[in-house]
Amino acid sequence: EAGVAQSPRYKIIEKRQSVAFWCNPISGHATLYWYQQILGQGPKLLIQFQNNGVVDDSQLPKDRFSAERLKGVDSTLKIQPAKLEDSAVYLCASSTRADGYTFGSGTRLTVV
Amino acid sequence: GENVEQHPSTLSVQEGDSAVIKCTYSDSASNYFPWYKQELGKGPQLIIDIRSNVGEKKDQRIAVTLNKTAKHFSLHITETQPEDSAVYFCAARKGGSYIPTFGRGTSLIVHP
Repeated sequence: EAGVAQSPRYKIIEKRQSVAFWCNPISGHATLYWYQQILGQGPKLLIQFQNNGVVDDSQLPKDRFSAERLKGVDSTLKIQPAKLEDSAVYLCASSTRADGYTFGSGTRLTVV
Repeated sequence: GENVEQHPSTLSVQEGDSAVIKCTYSDSASNYFPWYKQELGKGPQLIIDIRSNVGEKKDQRIAVTLNKTAKHFSLHITETQPEDSAVYFCAARKGGSYIPTFGRGTSLIVHP
């Protein structure tokens, strides 16, 4: 089966600019997650979707981050405006059940 | 919430040696413990997992042990090979939750 697709692979922006990341989960996976992975740390959950509804967004900095999952398939994560500390790898994952996490390759964001 | 500590942060071994990575968790309600391998430029990939009703699980050269009383679990890799070089993450998850808490990762370097 095809994996979790993410784009772009890399992005460099200046602080205060906006940026968007895209994720296409594995076909049929109802649950989709966005994680932030800062260099040298483990992934930290930003938001969890079940179909097109938000299950958990308690760790999402809502003053600058937003995410949506239209029609319960693809998802976008947006940052506006970006800060230097947002530099990280943004990982998307999907699953059909609690154990079946599959991660994408991530988008490496550098904010300068 | 759950807190997962992982040691060491870096582990360097010679090809053919064994490698051991240790993790501790804080929440006694955690009952599922996955391990992920992350290669450069890729997302984390599940390599083995263990549930709280099992003390040990083995899959070819990798094994995981769990001590519920002490709240720690370990990853053991035998006969290491250069392709085992990667960052390894442990994680812990409570029953009824889809979201694991990750450790900070261990960078394993296997020298040929």
